[in-house]
Amino acid sequence: EVQLVESGGGLVQPGGSLRLSCAASGFTFSSYEMNWVRQAPGKGLEWVSYISSSGSTIYYADSVKGRFTISRDNAKNSLYLQMNSLRAEDTAVYYCAGRYSFHYYYYMDVWGKGTTVTVSS
Amino acid sequence: EIVLTQSPGTLSLSPGERATLSCRASQSVSSSYLAWYQQKPGQAPRLLIYGASSRATGIPDRFSGSGSGTDFTLTISRLEPEDFAVYYCQQYGSSPGYSFGQGTKLEIK
Repeated sequence: EVQLVESGGGLVQPGGSLRLSCAASGFTFSSYEMNWVRQAPGKGLEWVSYISSSGSTIYYADSVKGRFTISRDNAKNSLYLQMNSLRAEDTAVYYCAGRYSFHYYYYMDVWGKGTTVTVSS
Repeated sequence: EIVLTQSPGTLSLSPGERATLSCRASQSVSSSYLAWYQQKPGQAPRLLIYGASSRATGIPDRFSGSGSGTDFTLTISRLEPEDFAVYYCQQYGSSPGYSFGQGTKLEIK
């Protein structure tokens, strides 16, 4: 079964740090481009960050650039998001989502169930 | 940066009716980079349509996508009770990275 499982969410104070993980199983993780997508309470989806299948290409949304770092370990079938200098507006459910890198089309067809990050004092 | 604007914000319809959801881009988007997702409360988004008009695996044929350039449409031909949810369009390429529309909530009338 194709599966992505996020972990590492929780309550953190403003200015604090958190590291999210996403464990992949049931598919060839090293062939997938991966993303973090978040959803603030009652709001829509916001793309956060992208990493290529090899890890050589990385993109960030302007809202997190300079504060968040995406990485992956293909040997461990895992994706990470290091979040520093957290703000109240980073409060959201964080999803990891993937795209088979050899597809012609661009979409995310593998999604985790999400992990909740709450930034509050 | 390409901005996706979805309309209407909320659509109230009855089961059996036809739903038409719009996604308008601020600049031309390649059809290859346009997708639609469905999200139900407490669940992750589910891919419905990719390449603007291709149904994802397992998606019923009552769902269809169309459009090109700056105007894209998701149509649900005959609404089933399980179709009432929030729908998002997504594009890839500008900035770079992905972006989503703000969503259309399809609710039961």
